[in-house]
Amino acid sequence: KAGVTQTPRYLIKTRGQQVTLSCSPISGHRSVSWYQQTPGQGLQFLFEYFSETQRNKGNFPGRFSGRQFSNSRSEMNVSTLELGDSALYLCASSFGLLGREIYEQYFGPGTRLTVT
Amino acid sequence: AQRVTQPEKLLSVFKGAPVELKCNYSYSGSPELFWYVQYSRQRLQLLLRHISRESIKGFTADLNKGETSFHLKKPFAQEEDSAMYYCALSAMDSNYQLIWGAGTKLIIKP
Repeated sequence: KAGVTQTPRYLIKTRGQQVTLSCSPISGHRSVSWYQQTPGQGLQFLFEYFSETQRNKGNFPGRFSGRQFSNSRSEMNVSTLELGDSALYLCASSFGLLGREIYEQYFGPGTRLTVT
Repeated sequence: AQRVTQPEKLLSVFKGAPVELKCNYSYSGSPELFWYVQYSRQRLQLLLRHISRESIKGFTADLNKGETSFHLKKPFAQEEDSAMYYCALSAMDSNYQLIWGAGTKLIIKP
């Protein structure tokens, strides 16, 4: 089956602008998680959506937001971009079922955001 | 709060030598633990999970609840093992969201 896809793959924005990133999960997966990956900080969890609701949230400012649609596709928005927002943004999908199910995540290739 | 610690940012070993990537966690309950790997120019992917107790690409990892560790081991390193390795924990207290270590970059020297 098709893997997780992310669009666009590369973006260049200037400070103060806003950006929207998109993620299409694996068919049947209802959970989408977003991460910021940088060489200095590693993987930082942004938030997770499950069935159109934000279920978990990391420690990022309110400029970072997201949403999930009824088909499980998700978007992430960053407003008022700062230079420090330059990073690889990863999306991961999973079945996301509550309980003791193995919470295995499948990652997309990422969107490389450069803020100048 | 749950935490995953990977004490080595970089580990360099010669081809054919044994490899051990360390992972320690803090969680009072029964976690589910994973190793993810990211090869150069490839997406992050699951390598193995403790519950399945399997060996993938020659790697094994045993959960040691007494030492709260989940070290990744391979008896004979190969050049294609060079990659970034992340240890992650899933627990009920964090609503099963994965808690990630900082990662260890493994370099296999020829």
